[in-house]
Amino acid sequence: EAGVAQSPRYKIIEKRQSVAFWCNPISGHATLYWYQQILGQGPKLLIQFQNNGVVDDSQLPKDRFSAERLKGVDSTLKIQPAKLEDSAVYLCASSLARHEAFFGQGTRLTVV
Amino acid sequence: AQKITQTQPGMFVQEKEAVTLDCTYDTSDPSYGLFWYKQPSSGEMIFLIYQGSYDQQNATEGRYSLNFQKARKSANLVISASQLGDSAMYFCAMRDATYGNNRLAFGKGNQVVVIP
Repeated sequence: EAGVAQSPRYKIIEKRQSVAFWCNPISGHATLYWYQQILGQGPKLLIQFQNNGVVDDSQLPKDRFSAERLKGVDSTLKIQPAKLEDSAVYLCASSLARHEAFFGQGTRLTVV
Repeated sequence: AQKITQTQPGMFVQEKEAVTLDCTYDTSDPSYGLFWYKQPSSGEMIFLIYQGSYDQQNATEGRYSLNFQKARKSANLVISASQLGDSAMYFCAMRDATYGNNRLAFGKGNQVVVIP
């Protein structure tokens, strides 16, 4: 079974630029998560989708971050414009309902 | 509010010995799930073990076991017979319906270094 796929693995951008991350979850997983993990901290949930609907985006900085999940499968997370404090690893995960979540390898973003 | 606490400083453990990682949680939802994940230096998050709030027995998965003390709201991970490959960050996570959405939230993690 293929795991959660994320791209790119690494991205370096200048502040005020925009960036997008892509995630393809495990086939059949209705729930998809985007987490932000700042160095030395635990993952922080940014947004959670159930199929193609948003069920939790309370911790998403909506003035600069946006996310969508097309047809209940792939998802993209965008930052526009980026700030220095957005430097982090962005993790995508998927799960079946209340089961464990499976994670992709993450995208390491550096904002300079 | 949902909250997961991991407060231990970095731990050094001798190879082949056991190590216990502490996790306490707080939730108002009677139905919840507790998870432990491993994150080695390569960065991937690896699922280790799961305990449901209504499970009568402590979960075990190979060398991993979960010491679940519901009244104390504690879900400690025990790794037996430590191996060098166990060196990693370990995160406790909880899923509940406090926000009506089965949010999966993580603690800050415990650093474990296994020494030969």
